Amino acid sequence: DQQVKQNSPSLSVQEGRISILNCDYTNSMFDYFLWYKKYPAEGPTFLISISSIKDKNEDGRFTVFLNKSAKHLSLHIVPSQPGDSAVYFCAASGGSSNTGKLIFGQGTTLQVKP
Amino acid sequence: NAGVTQTPKFQVLKTGQSMTLQCAQDMNHEYMSWYRQDPGMGLRLIHYSVGAGITDQGEVPNGYNVSRSTTEDFPLRLLSAAPSQTSVYFCASSYSIGYSYNSPLHFGNGTRLTVT
Repeated sequence: DQQVKQNSPSLSVQEGRISILNCDYTNSMFDYFLWYKKYPAEGPTFLISISSIKDKNEDGRFTVFLNKSAKHLSLHIVPSQPGDSAVYFCAASGGSSNTGKLIFGQGTTLQVKP
Repeated sequence: NAGVTQTPKFQVLKTGQSMTLQCAQDMNHEYMSWYRQDPGMGLRLIHYSVGAGITDQGEVPNGYNVSRSTTEDFPLRLLSAAPSQTSVYFCASSYSIGYSYNSPLHFGNGTRLTVT
């Protein structure tokens, strides 16, 4: 049972445009959500996070939106740059059954074309 | 500051062989975990530890053992390797399991394991 889903395996955008990466979750007990970015041959690195008490969090070009009623979060990158080309994972934690566990989605490969 | 160090970077095993993937962190993090990454499956949690002497199972623990005798080290053991264990393995650590308190996971660069 995939508790965190990223239904788009890949996304391609032009440099300077907006990239929108989506993530859905099924467990209503999740209370914290994170996005990680991964380059080839490297480990994932933390990008941005959001608590369930918020619906938006911004950090520079990156904004995460959370819609709790729809159990959906999205990552917006504006403007997109070629260096943003990577695999993006969303992750969630929370709830007594998930103590100590960070559950990841399948990942979305973003390609930003110059 | 080395962060999370994983060794080896690459390993090829034959079915039935055993081996240990090493993971060490120098950030004095209490929480450590092991993930495997497979195409189309994302990152799946194998085992985790909330402190020295304490370990617990994640989503896909079968075929793997762990122990945590020190804060710094969290080795992952494959007792009898199977082709289904061909994957990229990532070790990660964080200050605490409370991810909401500025404590994201720090990952190592991974070990690519092939079992033939």
